Formats: sequence, structure tokens, C-alpha cells
Amino acid sequence: DGGITQSPKYLFRKEGQNVTLSCEQNLNHDAMYWYRQDPGQGLRLIYYSQIVNDFQKGDIAEGYSVSREKKESFPLTVTSAQKNPTAFYLCASTGLAGRELFFGEGSRLTVL
Amino acid sequence: AQRVTQPEKLLSVFKGAPVELKCNYSYSGSPELFWYVQYSRQRLQLLLRHISRESIKGFTADLNKGETSFHLKKPFAQEEDSAMYYCALSGPGGSYIPTFGRGTSLIVHP
Repeated sequence: DGGITQSPKYLFRKEGQNVTLSCEQNLNHDAMYWYRQDPGQGLRLIYYSQIVNDFQKGDIAEGYSVSREKKESFPLTVTSAQKNPTAFYLCASTGLAGRELFFGEGSRLTVL
Repeated sequence: AQRVTQPEKLLSVFKGAPVELKCNYSYSGSPELFWYVQYSRQRLQLLLRHISRESIKGFTADLNKGETSFHLKKPFAQEEDSAMYYCALSGPGGSYIPTFGRGTSLIVHP
């Protein structure tokens, strides 16, 4: 069953702790993206990667880090430097530039 | 810079009424425009794209380059259309990185 898998679905963390959100795809897509979804603010781009071993900052990269060591995987780390980490995080991928995005189910992070 | 504006946060209509979700964009060149939909407890998914010129679930959207708009329309809304709708844009000027609007929540009352 092809698609994008994000884990965990729900995550609770204490302030000051780093957390890593997983994103795996078996669609053989080159490009992968991380978005943050907040009510009333839509989807804001955190980081993206268009090829293995390369990634670029999006509009709101501060306090986040990523890696792209494998084509299938694009994990996102929310660091303690992120001032307001509680949010819903969406991972997406696309096979061709400018074409349809395929999304994961999302990960909801709550920082207590 | 590319930008997508969805002026309505919330659109509330009754079943059978026409629906128009507005989307305006700012982009230098020829963009690709998309509408994505997120139903309750489901993942975000593509509804339609302007290059396909297709109608999905009764929805259509026409790219108006003069008005830089890509409004989503449906003549008769159904309760199952209640969802969050996002307009998105990508193009070579932005390295094909998709940009999303803030989204419009559509509620269709029985």
C-alpha cells in the first residue's frame, strides 16, 4: 500500500525537550516537505528537500532541523529553540516538481 | 514572491445552495494552481488542479489570469462537502515549492 506514513500521531513533551517526528514514503518521490498547520494560518513551510542529502529552509525554519539521508525518509526535529512548538505537523511528497502533493496523516505535538 | 490569498476563513451555506470559495494569487509568470481538501479525520488530499480542467465531486475552478484568481465553485452544495479547503500555487519562479493559502472552512447545513 503506497503512501506517506507519519509517526507518532500524537506526541506530548515537556518544555525544553527536543522531539523528532518521522516521515516515511514508499512512493519513490524525490521531493519531500514539512508543513506546520495552525488554525487560521493555513500551511506554512518549515523545510523541504528536493533530493537526497540536500534540504532547504522554508518560511518558518527557526527552531527546527531535518535530515535527508535516504530517499524514503525525511525526519523533522523540533528543538527546544522553537518558541511555540505545539502544532499539527504535516509531511508531504511529490514525484514531479510543481505537481500534486501527497500528504501524511499528520503528527500533533503538544508541549506541556 | 508568490502568495495565495483566501479571504474567507469560514463559509456557511445550506444544502443545495451554490458555493464559491475564493482564491487570489500573486505570481510573476505562469503558475500551477491547485485546490486541496481536508475532510474531518482524513488527510489532506488534492481536489483538483487547473491544468486538468476537470470537475471533481461537482466542483470546478477556472484560472482567471486577468484577475489572478482561481475560485472554487459548486452549483449545489452537499453536507458531505463540509471540510477545510486550501488553495495552493507552485511554479518555476518559486522553484516549484508549493505555497498555500490560509484555508477556508466550508460548513454545509442540512
